[in-house]
Amino acid sequence: SQKIEQNSEALNIQEGKTATLTCNYTNYSPAYLQWYRQDPGRGPVFLLLIRENEKEKRKERLKVTFDTTLKQSLFHITASQPADSATYLCAPPPGVGDKIIFGKGTRLHILP
Amino acid sequence: DVKVTQSSRYLVKRTGEKVFLECVQDMDHENMFWYRQDPGLGLRLIYFSYDVKMKEKGDIPEGYSVSREKKERFSLILESASTNQTSMYLCASSSIDIRGSQPQHFGDGTRLSIL
Repeated sequence: SQKIEQNSEALNIQEGKTATLTCNYTNYSPAYLQWYRQDPGRGPVFLLLIRENEKEKRKERLKVTFDTTLKQSLFHITASQPADSATYLCAPPPGVGDKIIFGKGTRLHILP
Repeated sequence: DVKVTQSSRYLVKRTGEKVFLECVQDMDHENMFWYRQDPGLGLRLIYFSYDVKMKEKGDIPEGYSVSREKKERFSLILESASTNQTSMYLCASSSIDIRGSQPQHFGDGTRLSIL
C-alpha cells in the first residue's frame, strides 16, 4: 500500500542551526509533495509545494528538496528560531481514490 | 485569505447522542474534507466532498455521515456517539486543480469529548 513516513516523532535543534526533516514515500511516485505546519490546538497551515521536476524550492528561511530516486523530500529551516517550534506534516497528492494521505508529522523543538 | 470556520472549538457530548459538527468556507472551494487527528495516528480522512450533494468515503467512515447541501458548508454527523470518537476533528477545503496540486486550507478544529 502507499505509505508516507516522516523520519521521527520529535526533533530537538539548537537555535540558529539548520533543522532538517525527512519525508519518505513508498509504493507510488507522487507528482508533487506539500509541506504543512501545525501549531498545538490549531489546524495545519500550508507552507510549500514542490513538484517532481523541481529539485529545490525556497521560501524565506525554508527550503524543500525532492529526490525521486531516493523517494524522499527534505524540509530545511535555516537559522532556526524558537518560533519555528511546531509539528511539520508532509502530504503527497491524492493517491488511490483521490484521498490525500498525510504523514504523521515531526514535532520540531528549537531550543533557545 | 481563505477562512475555514468550524462551529465549535470544544464540545462535550454523551454516548448515544447524535452530534453535528459544522464547517463553513468562504472561498467558493469545490472540495471539502473532514479529518480526525489522534496522538500517534496523525490525520485520518473520514469523508470528503467534491461538489454539492456529493460525498466520498475516506479511510475511516464508519460511525459517521456527512451532508453538503450548499457549496460553502460541510457537516459531519456522528449518528450515535461513542467514546472512541473522542478526538480532534478538522475540516479543510481546497479548490480544484487539474494537476491536483491545490493546498488544503484547514479550520482550527473541534475538540470533541464523548462521555
